[in-house]
Amino acid sequence: GENVEQHPSTLSVQEGDSAVIKCTYSDSASNYFPWYKQELGKRPQLIIDIRSNVGEKKDQRIAVTLNKTAKHFSLHITETQPEDSAVYFCAASNSFSGNTGKLIFGQGTTLQVKP
Amino acid sequence: DGGITQSPKYLFRKEGQNVTLSCEQNLNHDAMYWYRQDPGQGLRLIYYSQIVNDFQKGDIAEGYSVSREKKESFPLTVTSAQKNPTAFYLCATKRDSGANVLTFGAGSRLTVL
Repeated sequence: GENVEQHPSTLSVQEGDSAVIKCTYSDSASNYFPWYKQELGKRPQLIIDIRSNVGEKKDQRIAVTLNKTAKHFSLHITETQPEDSAVYFCAASNSFSGNTGKLIFGQGTTLQVKP
Repeated sequence: DGGITQSPKYLFRKEGQNVTLSCEQNLNHDAMYWYRQDPGQGLRLIYYSQIVNDFQKGDIAEGYSVSREKKESFPLTVTSAQKNPTAFYLCATKRDSGANVLTFGAGSRLTVL
């Protein structure tokens, strides 16, 4: 089955700097890669996602890149702000696997943005 | 709560007792999921259901049971067979069609004393 590895487990940056979180996946059939943000005490929420037919997607200060050959994808946050502090999860799924929506999550990265 | 209500928010249980966590949704989503969250281990899938009266085991189903008698409801029972039940439990839903975007509930924190 699918396995998703996420690094680093913790990341501390200065406000205004960039942050990069990386994930690798094992199932070459995976074609959908979302990123969720979980603030302290709150539920995970989708912040950006990418499908396997594109290599990069941007939404204001966040971007995701995908390298299908290497089977890894990354989350990039530029001009970080204190409100970016949270736990970030990557995930992967094969949307054609009966459309079960079965997402396999990485272990999570705790991002701390220091003012 | 974004259309998904989980209860209770906090629950304490003695060893050997079964406990049921509630998940109710008013989003009219077909699929529902239960994930377990432990520090450093991400979100691990326990059970999921794509349609009423049908459900499948996830990656860590041992010691858990579910039912899906109504579209709106997907309760999770943590049985005494679950060896390490203390965790944060998240329920999620997804529309049957379209992208695999999950909507999560606020979670239930179970502590076994």
